Amino acid sequence: NAGVMQNPRHLVRRRGQEARLRCSPMKGHSHVYWYRQLPEEGLKFMVYLQKENIIDESGMPKERFSAEFPKEGPSILRIQQVVRGDSAAYFCASSRTGDPPEQYFGPGTRLTVT
Amino acid sequence: AQSVTQPDIHITVSEGASLELRCNYSYGATPYLFWYVQSPGQGLQLLLKYFSGDTLVQGIKGFEAEFKRSQSSFNLRKPSVHWSDAAEYFCAVGTSGTYKYIFGTGTRLKVLA
Repeated sequence: NAGVMQNPRHLVRRRGQEARLRCSPMKGHSHVYWYRQLPEEGLKFMVYLQKENIIDESGMPKERFSAEFPKEGPSILRIQQVVRGDSAAYFCASSRTGDPPEQYFGPGTRLTVT
Repeated sequence: AQSVTQPDIHITVSEGASLELRCNYSYGATPYLFWYVQSPGQGLQLLLKYFSGDTLVQGIKGFEAEFKRSQSSFNLRKPSVHWSDAAEYFCAVGTSGTYKYIFGTGTRLKVLA
């Protein structure tokens, strides 16, 4: 039973380029969460999605960041016009329905902006 | 405001010694509590979790944690540390009806041979 998959594992972008991070949830999980980990910090919630719906994006920066979880395919976190401050590890988690939502984390994508 | 505090940024112990990592939380509702471990360049692995019931929780790799409501704490313990336990440890809190985990800033464990 495959866990949460994220790709790429490492991504290097120059300032001003776009970054696309993908997350495939565990089989049977319909809820996806994105977290960001800045250097030397803990994880911070960004966004919570269900299939074709953004439920809570209160942790997303207001500009340049967007997320989707289409009916088919992985969830995508998109960062437009990246800046050096976007360099971080981005983790995806997934869960089944239910309370509490026990979240299983992927290995993360480490984004470096040069 | 909801928060999680891990007071110790770095901890160094000798191999074979006992370990306790501290976690304190501030939460209005009954919390769900988690400990994760992250090895360098890796993702997060769940060590143990507390939802309800027995306040002493057993996890993987010989770890345990005790929920103390009166102290708002969920400290992680291991009786004898192995060199492979060197990693960063995160405490996280969730609550019924929400889905956001609040993470502490982590404790980096170094193990001396």
